[in-house]
Amino acid sequence: EAGVTQFPSHSVIEKGQTVTLRCDPISGHDNLYWYRRVMGKEIKFLLHFVKESKQDESGMPNNRFLAERTGGTYSTLKVQPAELEDSGVYFCASSQDQYPYYEQYFGPGTRLTVT
Amino acid sequence: LAKTTQPISMDSYEGQEVNITCSHNNIATNDYITWYQQFPSQGPRFIIQGYKTKVTNEVASLFIPADRKSSTLSLPRVSLSDTAVYYCLVGLKGSGNTGKLIFGQGTTLQVKP
Repeated sequence: EAGVTQFPSHSVIEKGQTVTLRCDPISGHDNLYWYRRVMGKEIKFLLHFVKESKQDESGMPNNRFLAERTGGTYSTLKVQPAELEDSGVYFCASSQDQYPYYEQYFGPGTRLTVT
Repeated sequence: LAKTTQPISMDSYEGQEVNITCSHNNIATNDYITWYQQFPSQGPRFIIQGYKTKVTNEVASLFIPADRKSSTLSLPRVSLSDTAVYYCLVGLKGSGNTGKLIFGQGTTLQVKP
């Protein structure tokens, strides 16, 4: 069974540019989550999709971040325009069950560097 | 929110048993306790989950006392490949349980030869 995949693995962009990260969850997983870790900080929740609907986007830092999940399959996270503080590792995770079961499968992450 | 406290780092030697204890005084009645492992340059990986007493799988054991205000992850006979960061997580207290994970600093385990 294929795991969660993320693309690209690494992206370097200049401040003010746009970047789109992609996540392909495990097939059949209705729940898809985005997290990120900025330098030296803890992994932070960004948002949660159930199929194509946003269940919880309380962790999205501001309106420069836009997440979509087309047809309840893959998801994209767009940062526009990127700022220096957006640098970090962005993780995607998927799961079949919600609370109280927390077995989420994480992808390897996308390392975003904004210069 | 159920805040967790765990040691920042631990050292061990190959073949030893490692116990990492996590405190979660604010744990809610319906919360489960979950542990994740993260290797460098990888995403976190689910290890084990429990509600009370003891849970064991092929990787680890999880001990939870009756009051559930702490839990201990036990790794038997660690090897160098167990060097990683270990996170203890508990569920949200209150409404809007959406399954989001709240990560703390984790415990960096260094296994030495």
